[in-house]
Amino acid sequence: NAGVTQTPKFRVLKTGQSMTLLCAQDMNHEYMYWYRQDPGMGLRLIHYSVGEGTTAKGEVPDGYNVSRLKKQNFLLGLESAAPSQTSVYFCASSGTSGRMALNNEQFFGPGTRLTVL
Amino acid sequence: KQEVTQIPAALSVPEGENLVLNCSFTDSAIYNLQWFRQDPGKGLTSLLLIQSSQREQTSGRLNASLDKSSGRSTLYIAASQPGDSATYLCAAQGSGYSTLTFGKGTMLLVSP
Repeated sequence: NAGVTQTPKFRVLKTGQSMTLLCAQDMNHEYMYWYRQDPGMGLRLIHYSVGEGTTAKGEVPDGYNVSRLKKQNFLLGLESAAPSQTSVYFCASSGTSGRMALNNEQFFGPGTRLTVL
Repeated sequence: KQEVTQIPAALSVPEGENLVLNCSFTDSAIYNLQWFRQDPGKGLTSLLLIQSSQREQTSGRLNASLDKSSGRSTLYIAASQPGDSATYLCAAQGSGYSTLTFGKGTMLLVSP
């Protein structure tokens, strides 16, 4: 049981390049989230998903796209990277099924450190 | 919009002390409040989750309390150890399909 895993762990991009961050969970969780963590700003929600095939915007969605084609995977895409997207990105998952899943703790991956030059 | 504040931002104590970390939130209509630990360069580890109907939760030397009416939660760490040194984050989950709103954390250093 690996929990929540993220790929890659580190990445350096040039401005304008694109990339996709992959998050995978093996806990059969319904909900998945992408956060970014910046010094002095704390953790902020980018996008989230309440089930396979669904996505929703969080607090800071601009410049990012997401997809949840399979229940266990949640992808975060940067179409044209900007230096302002330099951050540590965390994926999380929670909830097994039904509305009670809302009250379940979130489990986090180890993070992806992204630098955009 | 929910806002979560953690005080103090940093705390340094000698080993063995009991300590309290504070978390306040502006919207009392929450589903639950969760406390996390984050070690440098690592992800977040869930410590305790208090549902809105509960007053406190305990795990080992950790005890978290929740007072929804006053918008406050505290994390009590008993007999602190150097291994407790980390950043502690609290997060409030709102109603509906809303998600977690995080505080900026308290950086704890426990000296031997």
